[in-house]
Amino acid sequence: AQTVTQSQPEMSVQEAETVTLSCTYDTSESDYYLFWYKQPPSRQMILVIRQEAYKQQNATENRFSVNFQKAAKSFSLKISDSQLGDAAMYFCAYQAYSGAGSYQLTFGKGTKLSVIP
Amino acid sequence: DAGVTQSPTHLIKTRGQQVTLRCSPKSGHDTVSWYQQALGQGPQFIFQYYEEEERQRGNFPDRFSGHQFPNYSSELNVNALLLGDSALYLCASSFPSGGYEQYFGPGTRLTVT
Repeated sequence: AQTVTQSQPEMSVQEAETVTLSCTYDTSESDYYLFWYKQPPSRQMILVIRQEAYKQQNATENRFSVNFQKAAKSFSLKISDSQLGDAAMYFCAYQAYSGAGSYQLTFGKGTKLSVIP
Repeated sequence: DAGVTQSPTHLIKTRGQQVTLRCSPKSGHDTVSWYQQALGQGPQFIFQYYEEEERQRGNFPDRFSGHQFPNYSSELNVNALLLGDSALYLCASSFPSGGYEQYFGPGTRLTVT
């Protein structure tokens, strides 16, 4: 079974600074998707960024970028120029590309990010 | 463009009772997944519905059941509620050609007393 591990329960960053959230995963599949979701206190899970495992190029979305290391099964999220609105729980998630696990997201336990003004 | 909607927002039930939660998918989406998020944890996959059939199920007992209607909306039913069923229940919708991205609703907070 696939597992997703987020080893940092809490992180903090100064406003305008850069922070990196870590995620590792375990899978025997070669093709899969990886996601970072943000969950603010409003509870709604918001997709931040997505990475396809077959793509070597790291995904970027404005101030958000990932460092995808397939061999190491590592998928970290970098937030640049942190803003107060970035404060939230961040979840790393895995989804298989095909087969029995391809319809479900497997989540880590999350990292709570605080942004200090 | 309406996103994923869920009702009710909050719900309080007593042990042993039954509950029904509702979800309307994002416009254009035909697949609905349900997740349970216990306090301080990541969401856990319950099941997914596509074409009115349960396509995949996570590690949840049969007390958890669901339904999908022809308009793609969905219900999650939980029978014989236990205290441990207290959680945030999230609905997510997607469509197969969308790269499997799942869009989440705001959730229903269920408290079992």
